[in-house]
Amino acid sequence: GGIITQTPKFLIGQEGQKLTLKCQQNFNHDTMYWYRQDSGKGLRLIYYSITENDLQKGDLSEGYDASREKKSSFSLTVTSAQKNEMAVFLCASSSPGQPSGNTLYFGEGSRLIVV
Amino acid sequence: QQQVRQSPQSLTVWEGETAILNCSYENSAFDYFPWYQQFPGEGPALLISILSVSDKKEDGRFTIFFNKREKKLSLHIADSQPGDSATYFCAATGTGGYKVVFGSGTRLLVSP
Repeated sequence: GGIITQTPKFLIGQEGQKLTLKCQQNFNHDTMYWYRQDSGKGLRLIYYSITENDLQKGDLSEGYDASREKKSSFSLTVTSAQKNEMAVFLCASSSPGQPSGNTLYFGEGSRLIVV
Repeated sequence: QQQVRQSPQSLTVWEGETAILNCSYENSAFDYFPWYQQFPGEGPALLISILSVSDKKEDGRFTIFFNKREKKLSLHIADSQPGDSATYFCAATGTGGYKVVFGSGTRLLVSP
């Protein structure tokens, strides 16, 4: 088995500040994802990376940047934190080529708090 | 535009009852439907999944029923236990697809 590690678990920043969340996986998966989870709204895709050095925008990419530094790591930057962005950010990885379907493996999440 | 819809938003059942969680989708290209279970403070984890070539998938107390014509599916949790209390997400993707679309979730509470 493998594990997804997200850091930090809690990120507190001021409005307008640039904030970065980090994610590491040891599944050796090619594809990694960042989702945002708001209460009652499910998970919304921010960015994903099919393979190292690839970046694809999701449905909620505005206000965020992402970086796939290497196969095992994927970072997400909130470019200018706003109070309405307080949410849980979930990182996931997968190996989509599996015939059984694209199963995502998630980290425990990072909670963003904007003061 | 919400491509995957779930109902109800929350559900309470008694221990031992069958909980039924519903999901519908819009995109005919979706052919893989995983259900994820999430406990407070944790990330979602795959519970059970189905491919669109099947109309039913069972795994212990958990069963997915799938109706391709109506673009609907449901998760049945038989003999519900308090430990099943969690939020359940229906998700969908296409063959070989990278984008996985999630519903808004159903929060299940099983009362002893």
